[in-house]
Amino acid sequence: DTAVSQTPKYLVTQMGNDKSIKCEQNLGHDTMYWYKQDSKKFLKIMFSYNNKELIINETVPNRFSPKSPDKAHLNLHINSLELGDSAVYFCASSRSSGGRETQYFGPGTRLLVL
Amino acid sequence: AQSVTQLDSQVPVFEEAPVELRCNYSSSVSVYLFWYVQYPNQGLQLLLKYLSGSTLVESINGFEAEFNKSQTSFHLRKPSVHISDTAEYFCAVSEIQGAQKLVFGQGTRLTINP
Repeated sequence: DTAVSQTPKYLVTQMGNDKSIKCEQNLGHDTMYWYKQDSKKFLKIMFSYNNKELIINETVPNRFSPKSPDKAHLNLHINSLELGDSAVYFCASSRSSGGRETQYFGPGTRLLVL
Repeated sequence: AQSVTQLDSQVPVFEEAPVELRCNYSSSVSVYLFWYVQYPNQGLQLLLKYLSGSTLVESINGFEAEFNKSQTSFHLRKPSVHISDTAEYFCAVSEIQGAQKLVFGQGTRLTINP
């Protein structure tokens, strides 16, 4: 009964490939997020969805496209993978999109682009 | 825009010693403040947060943090650490108005030596 789950846990792929990461939350939350954690452990928000609507879109290359089929799912598709995309990608969710909310993070997906 | 600075990238301490992890932030608007903890190979989880009221906030596992508005700081302290506190600690802020967009510091790796 994991609260926020991500698949796959590890992803090793070649440059130029297209890949997807899936995220699901069973907390009944309205808001979901994608973060990128680089090799120096720095965390930066990429996207945020509230009730399936995109509300935050940071300066992320167009190769990254999030999709939210319903409130419980937020997937991340990456086209034409580059070496610099290697990182740990975290999904998170919160009850609502307000600034005071606690975010609940998934275990992360470790992406390695060769 | 906001920024968060965690002054120490690594803090080694002996078991049962006190510890302080420093966090300073910069923002032109009012913010909420958070400390998240990341145990090895896991996602982040909330340790504590300051929303309003008493400037001293506590977590269930003995950590506390004090919001100091004049010094724009939110340092995290624990009077006696345990081996199980070994983790990466992230300070973060979010604007009070608008959708939550956590801005994280660079993280502090706390290592507890026996």
